[in-house]
Amino acid sequence: GIQVEQSPPDLILQEGANSTLRCNFSDSVNNLQWFHQNPWGQLINLFYIPSGTKQNGRLSATTVATERYSLLYISSSQTTDSGVYFCAVKTGSNTGKLIFGQGTTLQVKP
Amino acid sequence: NAGVTQTPKFQVLKTGQSMTLQCAQDMNHEYMSWYRQDPGMGLRLIHYSVGAGITDQGEVPNGYNVSRSTTEDFPLRLLSAAPSQTSVYFCASSYRPSGTSVTGELFFGEGSRLTVL
Repeated sequence: GIQVEQSPPDLILQEGANSTLRCNFSDSVNNLQWFHQNPWGQLINLFYIPSGTKQNGRLSATTVATERYSLLYISSSQTTDSGVYFCAVKTGSNTGKLIFGQGTTLQVKP
Repeated sequence: NAGVTQTPKFQVLKTGQSMTLQCAQDMNHEYMSWYRQDPGMGLRLIHYSVGAGITDQGEVPNGYNVSRSTTEDFPLRLLSAAPSQTSVYFCASSYRPSGTSVTGELFFGEGSRLTVL
């Protein structure tokens, strides 16, 4: 099956710093999403981005489907950005089988 | 519009007991799925459904049963709980644009924390 690798596994930032999280995948995808799991365990949708670039406030994401990677940018980080960021992908075929990477754990220090 | 609702939020079982985790969505989504999350393992797909009456296995289906009698509900059953099933369980749903194989954005419930003693 498809492999999803996220890097780095852990990241510590000072408040106000910028960061880039990466998601590599081993096969063509027709669905890619980024999620943030906050310290209370809730999974929050950030981006639905099978290709192209999207921005939402301080966060933006770019997926280059032909090269099989996606990037999540966090600018001017805040302590509330702490948590785990997951990338999830789905390959072609008529299923809802979304496969997750292992996640990047981000800690933003005040 | 409640989204995806999971019950119960917390449950403690003894080994060998059975239980059902309930999941309901009110967004008329075709796709529904169950994931489990364990420390250091990310989220792993247990079972999923592409519509009422249709279910299929994910990455870690053993020990779990599902059914999809309605579009809204997708319960997850543990027939004989084992300590290895101690985990946090998430239900999720998404839409599928008519006539395509693409799924839309996946929405998650708040999770159910299960402990098996």
